[in-house]
Amino acid sequence: KAGVTQTPRYLIKTRGQQVTLSCSPISGHRSVSWYQQTPGQGLQFLFEYFSETQRNKGNFPGRFSGRQFSNSRSEMNVSTLELGDSALYLCASSLVGTETQYFGPGTRLLVL
Amino acid sequence: TQLLEQSPQFLSIQEGENLTVYCNSSSVFSSLQWYRQEPGEGPVLLVTVVTGGEVKKLKRLTFQFGDARKDSSLHITAAQPGDTGLYLCAGDIDNAGNMLTFGGGTRLMVKP
Repeated sequence: KAGVTQTPRYLIKTRGQQVTLSCSPISGHRSVSWYQQTPGQGLQFLFEYFSETQRNKGNFPGRFSGRQFSNSRSEMNVSTLELGDSALYLCASSLVGTETQYFGPGTRLLVL
Repeated sequence: TQLLEQSPQFLSIQEGENLTVYCNSSSVFSSLQWYRQEPGEGPVLLVTVVTGGEVKKLKRLTFQFGDARKDSSLHITAAQPGDTGLYLCAGDIDNAGNMLTFGGGTRLMVKP
């Protein structure tokens, strides 16, 4: 069974731009969560989507948004990029009713 | 303040030594997961513990979940260079859904 895939793997943007990251969960998984990982803050929860609805949200500004499609694929968007948004963005998927999450390889975003 | 405190933050040992990593919180977790992460990659799940007092073994790795489901430990016996990496504990707070709270991580280096 294929694992969680994320595209693109690497991205360079400049301040003020916006970016869209994509995540395809493991087949059959309907929950997709997004996390931001930085050296200073570690891994922090952004949001979780289940059946195309945002079910949980972390403590991030409204510039961070996401959505989930009917095939469970998910995208996250960051608008008006700031230097501090440089991070590894990780997507994780899980089966309904379980708390075990499986992570993708991440998208490394660099904001210049 | 991290909801999940991991210690130690860094550990450098010789091949063959034993080590223990701790993960502590004042919150109760419905489950707790341990991950290992290589540079530039996403975390890879090692184990999920769900029952207070539970002990799980994965070859040379032993995981314990505290009786009160507030803490956990990871013990590695006879560490090998291949064990080098970032070890992360992550908890799912009771009834919080698929929203993992991560510890700050323990960076382990095993020297041959």
